[in-house]
This record gives sequence, structure tokens and C-alpha cells, in this order.
Amino acid sequence: AQSVAQPEDQVNVAEGNPLTVKCTYSVSGNPYLFWYVQYPNRGLQFLLKYITGDNLVKGSYGFEAEFNKSQTSFHLKKPSALVSDSALYFCAVRETAVYRTALIFGKGTTLSVSS
Amino acid sequence: DAGVTQSPTHLIKTRGQQVTLRCSPKSGHDTVSWYQQALGQGPQFIFQYYEEEERQRGNFPDRFSGHQFPNYSSELNVNALLLGDSALYLCASSFGPQGGQETQYFGPGTRLLVL
Repeated sequence: AQSVAQPEDQVNVAEGNPLTVKCTYSVSGNPYLFWYVQYPNRGLQFLLKYITGDNLVKGSYGFEAEFNKSQTSFHLKKPSALVSDSALYFCAVRETAVYRTALIFGKGTTLSVSS
Repeated sequence: DAGVTQSPTHLIKTRGQQVTLRCSPKSGHDTVSWYQQALGQGPQFIFQYYEEEERQRGNFPDRFSGHQFPNYSSELNVNALLLGDSALYLCASSFGPQGGQETQYFGPGTRLLVL
């Protein structure tokens, strides 16, 4: 069965410092991996995805993620954090088969960026 | 270009009642997925509709049912509401369920409170 783990409930970082939000996954076959962000009382906003190819994926708002197949990880990164990046971040995985496109989400990691 | 829209934004019901939530997909999208996000948790997949048929279903009881209309909009119905059904219900749309590289884009959600 597919699963996603986000080992940190909260990540605290100072503005201007690099940030990393961790994600590990378990899926049979090749994974499709996603990061979404959720602001209070809002839906999920798509940040980036890994389908195939280059292990470093660039997304919206300066975020990027590194796919590591041997470690089954897909960590979200940003070189310089902003206070406005403070939000709830979700990693998700899905299968690649036809009609098997449900996203399986982790529990989420709250990112807090202090000024 | 309108994104995914959902109505209503908030809803209060009592146990045993029935509720209908509505979703209009992003322009150009033909597939609608529904997710339940309980407080402090990641979204959980309920089901997905494509070509007016349920194509994939998560681990939810038959009290949860849905429908997709010819214009691709969708409804989520929940019968015999339980206190545990209180959650944020998210609709996501995408183009095609064929297991390709499509991204699911989420609406703002409907917050349901069952008393």
C-alpha cells in the first residue's frame, strides 16, 4: 500500500535562512510525487511535482524539491525563507496506473518562519 | 480563468441529516476528485469521477456518494451524518484520469460541522 511520512510536525526557521521540509514515501512501482501548501482556512495550492527525469524539481515561489530514489525521499527546499512562507505543507504520492490517480497525503508539516 | 469553485463555504448540520456539497472544476478539466480533511490531518481520498462515473473509491462507507454532471461539475452527498463527518471537504479537478502526468488543483473547500 502507498504511504507518505512527514516526520516533522513543525519546522522553525529564521527569515533568510534555508529551509527543508522532509518527506519519505512508499509505493509500488515508480512514484508521482507532489508538494502542496495550505494557508489557514484555504484549500491546497500546488507547488511542484516529480514525474520523471531530473531529480531536482523547481516549483512556484522559489521552492524546489529533490527526489532520491534510493532513500525514497522527496524533501522540499528553499534557499532563503520568507515570513510569508509560513503555512502547512503536504507531501503526496500517487500511482501511475489508469484510474489509480488518488493522491495519498502525509499528515502535513507546519512551517514557521520568524522575522 | 476561474479555478476550482466549491459551495457552500460553510455548513452546519445535525446528526442524522443529509448534506450535498458542490464543485465546479477548473476550465478545461474533466475529472473531479473529493477529499476529506479532518482537523490536524492530511486530506483523505473519498472518490473520483470521470465521464459521469465513479472511477476510484477510497475507504469511505456507502453513506458517501457522488455524482458528476455532463458539464463536469460534481456533487458529494453524505447521508446519516455522524459527528465524525465534521471536516473540510476538498474538491480537486484535473484533466483525464488515465494515470498520466496531470496535476490535481484544489478548491477552497467546504467546512462541514455536524452537531
